Amino acid sequence: AQKITQTQPGMFVQEKEAVTLDCTYDTSDQSYGLFWYKQPSSGEMIFLIYQGSYDEQNATEGRYSLNFQKARKSANLVISASQLGDSAMYFCAAQSGSGTYKYIFGTGTRLKVLA
Amino acid sequence: NAGVTQTPKFQVLKTGQSMTLQCAQDMNHNSMYWYRQDPGMGLRLIYYSASEGTTDKGEVPNGYNVSRLNKREFSLRLESAAPSQTSVYFCASSVGTSPRGTGELFFGEGSRLTVL
Repeated sequence: AQKITQTQPGMFVQEKEAVTLDCTYDTSDQSYGLFWYKQPSSGEMIFLIYQGSYDEQNATEGRYSLNFQKARKSANLVISASQLGDSAMYFCAAQSGSGTYKYIFGTGTRLKVLA
Repeated sequence: NAGVTQTPKFQVLKTGQSMTLQCAQDMNHNSMYWYRQDPGMGLRLIYYSASEGTTDKGEVPNGYNVSRLNKREFSLRLESAAPSQTSVYFCASSVGTSPRGTGELFFGEGSRLTVL
């Protein structure tokens, strides 16, 4: 069974600094995908970044990068040069690669960027 | 360009009443999902449909039923609503096969359901 763990309910970061949001996953699948989503206070869900289990390089998308440590089953999101607009809930998710298409989320981390 | 459309956006029910949440996507996606979001619990998967004609239970299926009516539409039914089903419900879809596995999820705006 898949399980996603986000141990930081809330985080603060100073504007322009970098912040790491933790995510660990538990899956018996050999093939899987890891995703991060952002949910601003307005409620919509926004896809940020994807990492495949067979990808050797860490994924990057603009100011977002995913620190993928497969042996530790860790997929931390790094946001560089934080902006006030980065204040939101952030969810880590895993998608099963076993053909079941199951897509499981963690409980989220609320990030507040301070001016 | 509508993407994923959910209706209704708000609903208040009394305990024991039934209702159906409708979801439609216009992106020709194969996979569709229903989640509920509760404070402190993230998004929990209720049911999903990997492709037209198939549905599977997620993490919290009890008290819900689904129908994949066609490739575009995936409805969620509460047969006898309970206060514990008060939540925000999200429908989502993904392409099904892509360079990103099943692909990232595209979400509807959410439906806020209150059961009294």
